[in-house]
Amino acid sequence: GEDVEQSLFLSVREGDSSVINCTYTDSSSTYLYWYKQEPGAGLQLLTYIFSNMDMKQDQRLTVLLNKKDKHLSLRIADTQTGDSAIYFCALSYGQNFVFGPGTRLSVLP
Amino acid sequence: DTEVTQTPKHLVMGMTNKKSLKCEQHMGHRAMYWYKQKAKKPPELMFVYSYEKLSINESVPSRFSPECPNSSLLNLHLHALQPEDSALYLCASSHGDLSYEQYFGPGTRLTVT
Repeated sequence: GEDVEQSLFLSVREGDSSVINCTYTDSSSTYLYWYKQEPGAGLQLLTYIFSNMDMKQDQRLTVLLNKKDKHLSLRIADTQTGDSAIYFCALSYGQNFVFGPGTRLSVLP
Repeated sequence: DTEVTQTPKHLVMGMTNKKSLKCEQHMGHRAMYWYKQKAKKPPELMFVYSYEKLSINESVPSRFSPECPNSSLLNLHLHALQPEDSALYLCASSHGDLSYEQYFGPGTRLTVT
């Protein structure tokens, strides 16, 4: 079955880069995603990467995919207080979505 | 319009009540989803509708009854719920059979007393 893991907490200083990591066991996923959830809110799609890509950059966000190690990461450059939230990686298998447990990012002034 | 709307935003119901959650999207998406999210946990898939037909039911108790009246609307009918059903219920939609880019609504915070 699919198993997706993330570290639960990350603290960074404002202006620094944040790197949120995700590992998975089933590599048959076509797309891999990063979602952001602020307190009391729904999930916001930040970015996604197709499984045959290694990297995708979108403004302050950089996604790296290492298929050999089954490792996905999200780098946020120049992290701001508004980036404080829970970040979920998710993998799609057909119409099924499997989410990681989420990483709570705290941005310190 | 990339918005998925959900009503109500908050709902408190007793264990003998019957209530419904509503979800709407006007992006032309043909797949719609219900998720349940407990505090500090990731969303868990409950149901998937594809082209208005139920395609996935993740062994959800029958006290939850989904309905897809048309391609833009998704309902979740609730009856005889338990306190442990209290959670954030999220609706999402995506294009057809391709599940990339699921767009989520803001959720309904349900409390069962």
